[in-house]
Amino acid sequence: SQQGEEDPQALSIQEGENATMNCSYKTSINNLQWYRQNSGRGLVHLILIRSNEREKHSGRLRVTLDTSKKSSSLLITASRAADTASYFCATDGPTGNQFYFGTGTSLTVIP
Amino acid sequence: GAGVSQTPSNKVTEKGKYVELRCDPISGHTALYWYRQSLGQGPEFLIYFQGTGAADDSGLPNDRFFAVRPEGSVSTLKIQRTERGDSAVYLCASSSWAGRYNEQFFGPGTRLTVL
Repeated sequence: SQQGEEDPQALSIQEGENATMNCSYKTSINNLQWYRQNSGRGLVHLILIRSNEREKHSGRLRVTLDTSKKSSSLLITASRAADTASYFCATDGPTGNQFYFGTGTSLTVIP
Repeated sequence: GAGVSQTPSNKVTEKGKYVELRCDPISGHTALYWYRQSLGQGPEFLIYFQGTGAADDSGLPNDRFFAVRPEGSVSTLKIQRTERGDSAVYLCASSSWAGRYNEQFFGPGTRLTVL
């Protein structure tokens, strides 16, 4: 079974608004990564946060990690229509070789 | 430089047939991963290579699935006696170094349809 679960499954917002999506996972991790996937395309790495980090920023992206709750959130500020995509969190497995992806959040940004 | 490429982009086959899916990783990347993604789902880990060896094949669903990477670069995922349930997008990713803290670069995927 997959490690992570994102919520909401789908999110629709107006351009300029902030988008927040959450990820919960089941077992201990060393790092958590967020990826983006445009329809019919491969995944693109957005940001990685290590288990000893609580917050990380990259441009308009802000990721938080709460290992006590086994959860992470991805915030996209000042959203743009081009941010429309599916967003997945991925956690590493016990050996660090496997990566487990969640079911994804489908984000639609309305211009 | 070129990214990860996968061929074919689409493959339609009949139940019971054998298929091969190819992945060309980014030059110099030693780690290579195969995933399977069904509609509406996230990628599901299948197998990981470090160099030429399959370091972790725990995600392969059964013995009909096999993957090779004979020279530590190109990899081929092989599926025998295909079943309709094998229909999915098969994604390949590579990384400059295997480990917990390296991002993976994904190819566009091969969409496999088993009729």
